[in-house]
This record gives sequence, C-alpha cells and structure tokens, in this order.
Amino acid sequence: GAVVSQHPSWVICKSGTSVKIECRSLDFQATTMFWYRQFPKQSLMLMATSNEGSKATYEQGVEKDKFLINHASLTLSTLTVTSAHPEDSSFYICSAPGDGTDTQYFGPGTRLTVL
Amino acid sequence: AQSVTQLGSHVSVSEGALVLLRCNYSSSVPPYLFWYVQYPNQGLQLLLKYTSAATLVKGINGFEAEFKKSETSFHLTKPSAHMSDAAEYFCAVSDGTGNQFYFGTGTSLTVIP
Repeated sequence: GAVVSQHPSWVICKSGTSVKIECRSLDFQATTMFWYRQFPKQSLMLMATSNEGSKATYEQGVEKDKFLINHASLTLSTLTVTSAHPEDSSFYICSAPGDGTDTQYFGPGTRLTVL
Repeated sequence: AQSVTQLGSHVSVSEGALVLLRCNYSSSVPPYLFWYVQYPNQGLQLLLKYTSAATLVKGINGFEAEFKKSETSFHLTKPSAHMSDAAEYFCAVSDGTGNQFYFGTGTSLTVIP
C-alpha cells in the first residue's frame, strides 16, 4: 500500500529558530501533498496544499511567510516553520493522495516543541 | 460544501461489547467517506472508505461502516471491542478528487477490561 514518511518524528527547538519537516511518499509519486496541524485532543486542521513544481496553496489564516512549503520533487514536500515560537508547538501531519487519488495516506506525524 | 459531524467526543465500551461510533455528513456532491484511526503520537491509519460502491463497507481490524444516504450517516461499528481498539477515530468526507478532506472532531474510544 501507499506509505508516507515524515522526518523528524520529534523535534525540540529554541524560540526564534527555524525547523524543517520532510514528508516523503515512499512507493508512489504525489503531485499534491497536504500539511495539517493538530492540537492536543483536537482534529486535524488543513494548513496548506503543496503542489509539485508550483506554489503552495494556503488555507485562510495560515501565514505563508511563516510556514514555508516546498514541493521540489514528486516524492518530497517540506514544511519549514520559520522563527518558531512556543505557540507553534504542535503535531504536524502530512498526507498524499494514493490509489487513484480518492484516498489520503498520512505520514506518522512530527511533534514540534518550541522552548 | 462538505462537512462531517461526529456525535460523542468520548465513547467507552467494555471489552467484548459492540462498538458504535457515529458520523453524519453534509455534502453537495456524492460523498466519499472515510474512517481513520489514530493511536497516540502517530499519524492516521485508514480503516475503511466508501466510494459509491457497496453501501456496507468492511475495513481492517474487524470494523465496518454502512453508508445510509437517507440518514446522511456513515457510522462505524465493530461487534466485539478489543483493548487494542482504544484510540482516536476520525470520520472524513471528500469529493473524491483526492483534494480537500474534511474531518470530524474525532471520537476517543476507551475499552474497559
């Protein structure tokens, strides 16, 4: 089946630094990938749609200059949290459509803790 | 516009008892419906999906769900709960293009020994 990986699985950083999270589709190509944010005990909130070879599409209220998305290849999308602050601490999950696009396959998530 | 509502943010069942997690949807187009399970500190794993074929869908780990258009529902069931079923369950709806997925708020399932 379709497998999506994320790296790192957990990262702790100091306030003001930038953190890059990778999302890879391991056994299929994905022209589109999605980035979600999940707060404790809450559902997933779509942040942005990552498009291979073009600019990402951000959901309303998501700062595109703070959450930089790059989709440089058909198997890799990266999310960079710039100048991170404690309020950016969250669980970030990516997904990619597989199986003829009607199903989303999710990565294992990345827990970001900003001190 | 599409949305899902999951009734009951917390459900507790005894081990061996029936599991019923409720999901109602709203969609202006024929919906594609999904149930995902999330274990602590992990991503989402697909349990099952409805994509306009059979209305009774069987998934992994003994779960199944029935699409009822008249009730706009897609409830998840399992005849006998196991301790390993304790997790967070999310219902989602999409238009089938693989793009926008709309998630419910999730239901936390606790299995009591």
